[in-house]
Amino acid sequence: DTGVSQDPRHKITKRGQNVTFRCDPISEHNRLYWYRQTLGQGPEFLTYFQNEAQLEKSRLLSDRFSAERPKGSFSTLEIQRTEQGDSAMYLCASSLLSEISYEQYFGPGTRLTVT
Amino acid sequence: AQKITQTQPGMFVQEKEAVTLDCTYDTSDPSYGLFWYKQPSSGEMIFLIYQGSYDQQNATEGRYSLNFQKARKSANLVISASQLGDSAMYFCAMREVNTGTASKLTFGTGTRLQVTL
Repeated sequence: DTGVSQDPRHKITKRGQNVTFRCDPISEHNRLYWYRQTLGQGPEFLTYFQNEAQLEKSRLLSDRFSAERPKGSFSTLEIQRTEQGDSAMYLCASSLLSEISYEQYFGPGTRLTVT
Repeated sequence: AQKITQTQPGMFVQEKEAVTLDCTYDTSDPSYGLFWYKQPSSGEMIFLIYQGSYDQQNATEGRYSLNFQKARKSANLVISASQLGDSAMYFCAMREVNTGTASKLTFGTGTRLQVTL
């Protein structure tokens, strides 16, 4: 399977703990995005990378959130000192800069539950 | 103001019938793209169809077509010959090219489609 993959698919953690999610984009895609989706809502943009550079961050991305994309390949999203409000589906997507439509291909998501 | 509005929280359609899912958008950017994604219960967002703001013709992809009415700022998705497997959440999304956020998609709240026998 050459699509976008995310790990883990599900994560249950206690409030105050740190969690880290991983996203592996489609191999030739140079753009990588993170979105958060809460129940009953559409995905909301968090941040994106072009190669290894993080070019934009949403106001939703508080100081407790950090994302990296070393070497422009996979990316990690870390949430420190988790809060119950962080419970959501975290979606990763990738795209190819040269495509006219900038179509974003999404992974299956990581569902985070903070207890 | 909402950039993407989907006014139908839920829709029912009988198998083999056509259904239209509504989407209106708000932007002052003359260059933008409109997308529809399907999200089954498994959670993955599946790209269905794309329409660019300068495209002269409505986009079509198999059973999916996008009814693009630029003056009304609407981009409705039409699914013809509905199948049971079409039951899912459907999201309309927009990308604005010139506002400095060309990278991100802004999504609506979605429409849950249920296909019945």
